[in-house]
Amino acid sequence: AQKITQTQPGMFVQEKEAVTLDCTYDTSDPSYGLFWYKQPSSGEMIFLIYQGSYDQQNATEGRYSLNFQKARKSANLVISASQLGDSAMYFCAIPSGGSNYKLTFGKGTLLTVNP
Amino acid sequence: DTEVTQTPKHLVMGMTNKKSLKCEQHMGHRAMYWYKQKAKKPPELMFVYSYEKLSINESVPSRFSPECPNSSLLNLHLHALQPEDSALYLCASSPRRWAASPNYGYTFGSGTRLTVV
Repeated sequence: AQKITQTQPGMFVQEKEAVTLDCTYDTSDPSYGLFWYKQPSSGEMIFLIYQGSYDQQNATEGRYSLNFQKARKSANLVISASQLGDSAMYFCAIPSGGSNYKLTFGKGTLLTVNP
Repeated sequence: DTEVTQTPKHLVMGMTNKKSLKCEQHMGHRAMYWYKQKAKKPPELMFVYSYEKLSINESVPSRFSPECPNSSLLNLHLHALQPEDSALYLCASSPRRWAASPNYGYTFGSGTRLTVV
């Protein structure tokens, strides 16, 4: 079964600095994808970035990028130039179940951006 | 604005009440999902609807009853809930019942915060 591990319950970063949120995973599927979601206190899960296991390059979306190390089974999220609005819970997730019908989430990392 | 709309945003209900949560999407997605998220925990899947048919029930107690009246609407009927059912209930949709690529990724709603008293 697929498993996601996020070892940082909480992280603090100064505004305008970069921060890395860790995610390791375990899967036996030869082809898979990894998602990162942001959840502000309002509750909505906001899709940030996706990495496919066979993608040649690490994914980037604006200020978000993935440090994807397939051999180490890690997909760390890097947020550059942090903003106060980045304060939220961040979840790493992997599709699981037959036909990948569901997302299995890590426990999340609560990021706080300080002014 | 989210493209998956959930109502109500907040709900307080007694253990003997019957209430319903509503989810609506107009993106033409054919798969819809209910997730439950307890405080300080990740979301956990409850139900999957694919082409308006219930395809997955993750062993959810019968006091939760899902319904998909059409391809745009998903309801969750609640009856005789317990205080431990208090949580954020998230609805999501995807083009197909497959979440393995960004082309088929989930779009989540803002959730309904349910408190059972």
